[in-house]
Amino acid sequence: DAGITQSPRHKVTETGTPVTLRCHQTENHRYMYWYRQDPGHGLRLIHYSYGVKDTDKGEVSDGYSVSRSKTEDFLLTLESATSSQTSVYFCAISVLGLAGGPVVGELFFGEGSRLTVL
Amino acid sequence: DAKTTQPTSMDCAEGRAANLPCNHSTISGNEYVYWYRQIHSQGPQYIIHGLKNNETNEMASLIITEDRKSSTLILPHATLRDTAVYYCIVGGANSKLTFGKGITLSVRP
Repeated sequence: DAGITQSPRHKVTETGTPVTLRCHQTENHRYMYWYRQDPGHGLRLIHYSYGVKDTDKGEVSDGYSVSRSKTEDFLLTLESATSSQTSVYFCAISVLGLAGGPVVGELFFGEGSRLTVL
Repeated sequence: DAKTTQPTSMDCAEGRAANLPCNHSTISGNEYVYWYRQIHSQGPQYIIHGLKNNETNEMASLIITEDRKSSTLILPHATLRDTAVYYCIVGGANSKLTFGKGITLSVRP
């Protein structure tokens, strides 16, 4: 358990409303990620962060923004939710290890946040 | 990052070894092979990773071919609880990992 909590775990909202999902970690890991998972598509990376105020886009970033104002929290915001953003959202953190060479990371995932946009 | 190709699904009998193949013919020299699995609707779980050499941990073994273009994840004694979607991913150290659709392993009694 890497101390990851996501909130809310379930949310139903209407098209056009803003939504913010929160990912909180307790162990000060530098790298954090947001993925979405949809039937037939597997897991797709939305955004990731490699430090406070340092973020970058993933493969499906349109319609999403993120913020990381402190190490422990990584927020995913849907400014104006659409039905196509109905999905399960997973937060992950990267645990770094020293291998005497390149740093190798493994991801620990949260339990997911199920968002339904009506 | 290099792409991977996995069969859509496979099954095996409980207690037998499950051998899950993965092709990654475009892998570059500094890219690792990672395996994750996802049980039902839970978040994915890290299993193992390797660069060149075969690796083993308490969960599984990873066999990487000499040319590194393919690998096999081995669950030595599959149980019903190993039924899951297994993802083979390649990526550089600390790179953002791209998950495909994975392979669905069904362990039958």
